[in-house]
Amino acid sequence: QSALTQPASVSGSPGQSITISCTGTSSDVGIYKYVSWYQQHPGKAPKLMIYDVSNRPSGVSNRFSGSKSANTASLTISGLQAEDEADYYCCSYAGSGKKVFGTGTKVTVL
Amino acid sequence: QLQLQESGPGLVKPSETLSLTCSVSGGSISSSDYYWGWIRQPPGRGLEWIGSIHYSGGSYYNPSLKSRVTMSVDTSKNQFSLNLMSLTAADTAVYYCARDMGTTRFDYWGQGTLVTVSS
Repeated sequence: QSALTQPASVSGSPGQSITISCTGTSSDVGIYKYVSWYQQHPGKAPKLMIYDVSNRPSGVSNRFSGSKSANTASLTISGLQAEDEADYYCCSYAGSGKKVFGTGTKVTVL
Repeated sequence: QLQLQESGPGLVKPSETLSLTCSVSGGSISSSDYYWGWIRQPPGRGLEWIGSIHYSGGSYYNPSLKSRVTMSVDTSKNQFSLNLMSLTAADTAVYYCARDMGTTRFDYWGQGTLVTVSS
């Protein structure tokens, strides 16, 4: 069970849109519609931003959206704001109750 | 509002067993709709799912840790626990407990507790 692959860093200017990729395999991302995304600010617990590929929990801004194609899931942040600067992790179901997280992406707002 | 709080030792010696407890308030751990999970994060590194347990006792563990992990639930105290055996320095991490909706949806998290493995 290897970690899902994410870019180490992504950056953008305020107001721009950025997309973070999360690449897995046909045993996790490619086969299940259970991919979630978490935002983590320094020293804080992760916060659920997207679940089941594209669903937003109550209270999460609609600037955050998720999608999936084949073995790769994506998180898009539109209208980038300073408060979006954080680490982001994807997580996929891998069958038989198992879950696997991504390697993490640091988002920098320029 | 559901709240989770981890408790346990901050320093453990190599080869010993780590025991952590997560206390749940504002809701019942005995709901059939949820699992209860443990996730850890080594300093400066990414998240790693350790395992999840249902109040009925059913559990799932990360295959890479399965031989060293045991989880349990105490419904009378509204708590669940993690035991991790044969510790090494590689087990040094912040350990989080979280409510697990059963797929990859961890919707409530504890604040995390740093565990250092060192002699």
